[in-house]
Amino acid sequence: DGGITQSPKYLFRKEGQNVTLSCEQNLNHDAMYWYRQDPGQGLRLIYYSQIVNDFQKGDIAEGYSVSREKKESFPLTVTSAQKNPTAFYLCAIWVAQGAEAFFGQGTRLTVV
Amino acid sequence: GENVEQHPSTLSVQEGDSAVIKCTYSDSASNYFPWYKQELGKRPQLIIDIRSNVGEKKDQRIAVTLNKTAKHFSLHITETQPEDSAVYFCAATTGAGGTSYGKLTFGQGTILTVHP
Repeated sequence: DGGITQSPKYLFRKEGQNVTLSCEQNLNHDAMYWYRQDPGQGLRLIYYSQIVNDFQKGDIAEGYSVSREKKESFPLTVTSAQKNPTAFYLCAIWVAQGAEAFFGQGTRLTVV
Repeated sequence: GENVEQHPSTLSVQEGDSAVIKCTYSDSASNYFPWYKQELGKRPQLIIDIRSNVGEKKDQRIAVTLNKTAKHFSLHITETQPEDSAVYFCAATTGAGGTSYGKLTFGQGTILTVHP
């Protein structure tokens, strides 16, 4: 997994429910990111965090929330306020030394 | 904020031909331009990148060129093979090259199909 783990791989949610996607890294990197991928639209930034207990909104933060209580963990909550949550969600770490964004395997969320 | 446009959205070539994907960006402060390859159902993986102090970079069959004046950069794949078939994304960020971190702005993606 390259040191970054996303779970679960597939997730089904009923309309009106909140759901939390997990992202864990064991590489001791400071910066972590959440992206959403929809067909034909590339990847769009939801939230990012550069240090523990701090995070910033990305381009499409509405309907999402995050926390960064530990350096190794950056969970994403998809709230009921997100009107179209069905998508592929990718967590990434920023490897500063190599200047590379390294992605997790992703979570495919489907609203049923 | 940064805006990245990528063309074409789909590209079909015969095995052995070359493929070129082009991207333009809007923020002149962007200084790092990676290209990612994503196979179906998998995570994007970095295949090559270029920084703003370099005009061209090559890695075997893959090359990237950067024109800072025109604010565009391109991916070139020579001698294409069926295993090159995937979705390719360009991206831009201002965060590379120092102690600052960056956030990536991605293009819309190009579906490359290489026919045997």
